[in-house]
Amino acid sequence: LAKTTQPISMDSYEGQEVNITCSHNNIATNDYITWYQQFPSQGPRFIIQGYKTKVTNEVASLFIPADRKSSTLSLPRVSLSDTAVYYCLVGVQNTNAGKSTFGDGTTLTVKP
Amino acid sequence: KAGVTQTPRYLIKTRGQQVTLSCSPISGHRSVSWYQQTPGQGLQFLFEYFSETQRNKGNFPGRFSGRQFSNSRSEMNVSTLELGDSALYLCASSFRSGGSSYNEQFFGPGTRLTVL
Repeated sequence: LAKTTQPISMDSYEGQEVNITCSHNNIATNDYITWYQQFPSQGPRFIIQGYKTKVTNEVASLFIPADRKSSTLSLPRVSLSDTAVYYCLVGVQNTNAGKSTFGDGTTLTVKP
Repeated sequence: KAGVTQTPRYLIKTRGQQVTLSCSPISGHRSVSWYQQTPGQGLQFLFEYFSETQRNKGNFPGRFSGRQFSNSRSEMNVSTLELGDSALYLCASSFRSGGSSYNEQFFGPGTRLTVL
């Protein structure tokens, strides 16, 4: 499974857009890119998943360049409740969907 | 639809004891995975069960074991507990179809195990 690299922490202010970039140089052809969010003492929660180009849902957008060696999670107009750890996962094919490899994650702190 | 439930939520044990944790997946989900989360090691995959069979296994010693029942409920057991086993144990379920698309994992709230 591909290894991912993310910033350890990021700070932002309410109302700003936050972009968290994840590097995954060894991504395989069939791999998907998935992001999870985790609040303290809770299990991770699926945010968004994509394969290439751009994916948008009601919570976030995911930008994936043509070479797919990186991806950027974009959170529009963050609020204090977006303070959490964000994990980028790569290489989670269906046959290995139950064996997600979580990296160290990015701790996002949103300040008032 | 009810989410993934885990019992108990909190547990305190002493070294050398054994413990059994339970996980009930979302109705219709046949895959159940277990993870250990600690401040030092982060989220680590333990094992996955699908249709009562272990399909994937992480790098944990044999003291960690699990099983899945015909109703997809799963249990994990840790024998001869060590201080380092203190962690949040998370269970996740997914539909795990036979297609090539990603199957989102739904996590439970976890069981906080403290080993004294």
